[in-house]
Amino acid sequence: LAKTTQPISMDSYEGQEVNITCSHNNIATNDYITWYQQFPSQGPRFIIQGYKTKVTNEVASLFIPADRKSSTLSLPRVSLSDTAVYYCLVGGGTGTASKLTFGTGTRLQVTL
Amino acid sequence: NAGVMQNPRHLVRRRGQEARLRCSPMKGHSHVYWYRQLPEEGLKFMVYLQKENIIDESGMPKERFSAEFPKEGPSILRIQQVVRGDSAAYFCASSPRLGQGVYEQFFGPGTRLTVL
Repeated sequence: LAKTTQPISMDSYEGQEVNITCSHNNIATNDYITWYQQFPSQGPRFIIQGYKTKVTNEVASLFIPADRKSSTLSLPRVSLSDTAVYYCLVGGGTGTASKLTFGTGTRLQVTL
Repeated sequence: NAGVMQNPRHLVRRRGQEARLRCSPMKGHSHVYWYRQLPEEGLKFMVYLQKENIIDESGMPKERFSAEFPKEGPSILRIQQVVRGDSAAYFCASSPRLGQGVYEQFFGPGTRLTVL
């Protein structure tokens, strides 16, 4: 499974846009990019998933350049409740369920 | 529309005892995964099961740990003769039967195991 690299932590003020970039230089042709969010004492929660270009849903956008060696999770107008750890994962392209490989994630702290 | 359920949420055991963690996947999901998370670390894969089958146990310690997902009932992660190093949060996730190339795992709230 491709290894991912993310910043250990980020700080933001409420109302700002936050962009978290993940590097995955060894991503395979059929791998997808998935982001999870984890609050303290809870299980990870799926945020968004993409293969290439841009994906947008009600909570976030995911930007993936043409070479797919990196991706950027964009959270518009964050609030205090977005304080959490965000994990970038790659894999799952084989058509069958497979284990997720979590790195240490990015700890986002949102303040007033 | 219940999500993934895990019980107990908190479990305290003394060294040498057995810990039994239960996971009920989302309705209609036939794939179950177990992960372990130590404080300040990401989740580490342990085992992947389908009904009555262990598909991938590459993350399971060779001794004392076992998992099952019977035809009826929840998936169970069993830890025999627990040691202090087993103290961690154990998360279960489930996913539905998959189409080509896309997967998403739904996580339960976890069981926090404390070994005294």
